[in-house]
Amino acid sequence: NAGVTQTPKFRVLKTGQSMTLLCAQDMNHEYMYWYRQDPGMGLRLIHYSVGEGTTAKGEVPDGYNVSRLKKQNFLLGLESAAPSQTSVYFCASNSGTGGWSEQFFGPGTRLTVL
Amino acid sequence: LAKTTQPISMDSYEGQEVNITCSHNNIATNDYITWYQQFPSQGPRFIIQGYKTKVTNEVASLFIPADRKSSTLSLPRVSLSDTAVYYCLVGDRNSGGYQKVTFGIGTKLQVIP
Repeated sequence: NAGVTQTPKFRVLKTGQSMTLLCAQDMNHEYMYWYRQDPGMGLRLIHYSVGEGTTAKGEVPDGYNVSRLKKQNFLLGLESAAPSQTSVYFCASNSGTGGWSEQFFGPGTRLTVL
Repeated sequence: LAKTTQPISMDSYEGQEVNITCSHNNIATNDYITWYQQFPSQGPRFIIQGYKTKVTNEVASLFIPADRKSSTLSLPRVSLSDTAVYYCLVGDRNSGGYQKVTFGIGTKLQVIP
């Protein structure tokens, strides 16, 4: 099992450009999450999904969109990147079966917006 | 969501036992305490979870007093590879699959040779 993978690992954008971050998990997990981590801020939840075809807003959703067309994939889109979106982005998933289950995290995507 | 407070940073020498305390004064009856570990340039990973008293696994121990307003993560005989950020989370284990938890700043543990 590869677990949770993220593509790309690094990216540099210019202000106003768009891009999509891909998260894939091979554990058949129902729940998936996108977080951003800024220095000194901990992880903040951007959007999450409780199953294929569903998405919901987290703590800091503005400027991002997400889609979960397939159960194993969770896409995070930036339509018009801004320097404030420079951050490390982590994807996570958990099974959700039988109540609580630990979140498994991907390796992260480091995004710089100039 | 119950707010958690933990030290921003700690230093320890190799071979020592490290105890990181987390305060969660407003913990609810259904809330569990969960700890994650994050190495530099990696995503967090689950370490341990508990509700009350003591829980131990191959990595760490978690001590929770009767009033549950705090908890202590104990790492026995730390090595340089234990240098990481440790997050204390509080959330309802019975809320279903989606976890309404907040990763705060965490405690940055630096292990010194």
